[in-house]
Amino acid sequence: GENVEQHPSTLSVQEGDSAVIKCTYSDSASNYFPWYKQELGKRPQLIIDIRSNVGEKKDQRIAVTLNKTAKHFSLHITETQPEDSAVYFCAGNQAGTALIFGKGTTLSVSS
Amino acid sequence: NAGVTQTPKFQVLKTGQSMTLQCAQDMNHEYMSWYRQDPGMGLRLIHYSVGAGITDQGEVPNGYNVSRSTTEDFPLRLLSAAPSQTSVYFCASSYPSGLGTGELFFGEGSRLTVL
Repeated sequence: GENVEQHPSTLSVQEGDSAVIKCTYSDSASNYFPWYKQELGKRPQLIIDIRSNVGEKKDQRIAVTLNKTAKHFSLHITETQPEDSAVYFCAGNQAGTALIFGKGTTLSVSS
Repeated sequence: NAGVTQTPKFQVLKTGQSMTLQCAQDMNHEYMSWYRQDPGMGLRLIHYSVGAGITDQGEVPNGYNVSRSTTEDFPLRLLSAAPSQTSVYFCASSYPSGLGTGELFFGEGSRLTVL
């Protein structure tokens, strides 16, 4: 089955800096790679996703890149703000259906 | 639309007791799943279903049962609760696109404590 590894587990940045979180996956059949943000005490919510037929996708300050050959994908957040502080999860879809999540990255943005 | 509704939000059980976590969605989503969230472990898939009458095991299925008799409902049963099942449980659903998995919509979560 799919195995998704995520790093770093914690990341601290100053407001205005960029943050990068990286994930690797094992199932070459995976074709969907979403990123979820979870604020304290809340449910996870999708912030951006990418499919295997696309190399990069951008939405305002966030972007995701995918390298299918190396089986890794990354989340990039530019001009970080205190409200970006949260836990971020990457995921890959096992056998094209079930989403398998990484262990999460706790991002802290200090002002 | 209410989205994904989970009940109860909080539950305390004694070791050996059984219980059912309810999950319902009103978005006509084919795909439903259950995750548990423990500190430092991320979201781990327990069971999932790609449609009514079809269920499959995820990463950590032991000690849990599911059924999918309707499109809307996907209950999770704990057969004999153990302290290791203390966790926050999330139900999620999605409507797969033609390219595979779509966006997962999560319920608010159910916090379970087993004493």
